[in-house]
Amino acid sequence: DGGITQSPKYLFRKEGQNVTLSCEQNLNHDAMYWYRQDPGQGLRLIYYSQIVNDFQKGDIAEGYSVSREKKESFPLTVTSAQKNPTAFYLCASSLSINGYTFGSGTRLTVV
Amino acid sequence: QKEVEQNSGPLSVPEGAIASLNCTYSDRGSQSFFWYRQYSGKSPELIMSIYSNGDKEDGRFTAQLNKASQYVSLLIRDSQPSDSATYLCAAYKGGNNRKLIWGLGTSLAVNP
Repeated sequence: DGGITQSPKYLFRKEGQNVTLSCEQNLNHDAMYWYRQDPGQGLRLIYYSQIVNDFQKGDIAEGYSVSREKKESFPLTVTSAQKNPTAFYLCASSLSINGYTFGSGTRLTVV
Repeated sequence: QKEVEQNSGPLSVPEGAIASLNCTYSDRGSQSFFWYRQYSGKSPELIMSIYSNGDKEDGRFTAQLNKASQYVSLLIRDSQPSDSATYLCAAYKGGNNRKLIWGLGTSLAVNP
């Protein structure tokens, strides 16, 4: 079955540590997106990519980095520069303007 | 003013009633509109999309679009407790980036 897979489901980060969230899709979608969701704040766009080897900053890119070396993969690194990383992270993909398909999310907690 | 606005709720309806969720948008150039359902702790799932003025029905769900008044609505007929979730409205403004503009969501509670 086609879909979009995020891993891990839960992730714990120590202070000063970089962590990488995985996002893989087998839907043959061109575009991929990373969102952060905090309670009461809706979905906020971190980064997005429309084609391989190209990506753009979203509204809250500071403290995050991405790569798009393969069409299927769009990993997100939460760096130590992100001072408040505890949140629910959602990866999505799309082929056209027919809406996004979301992964199941990664819940990141700072310990 | 946010680009896509929704009442945060909670909207509470009895089981079997019609739930009406509303969304307004500010950019008249917005072309396509989407309703997503998000259960607590889960990711959003697409339930309806609408591109032209009028109504679009899919099972118990009806999406309505009025571009002149810049609003989109979602009606849920015969509401069930399993419909209790947050409903997110999103608008596509056009252009090459395919970015969606999201509302903050409306929380719906269907009471047995």
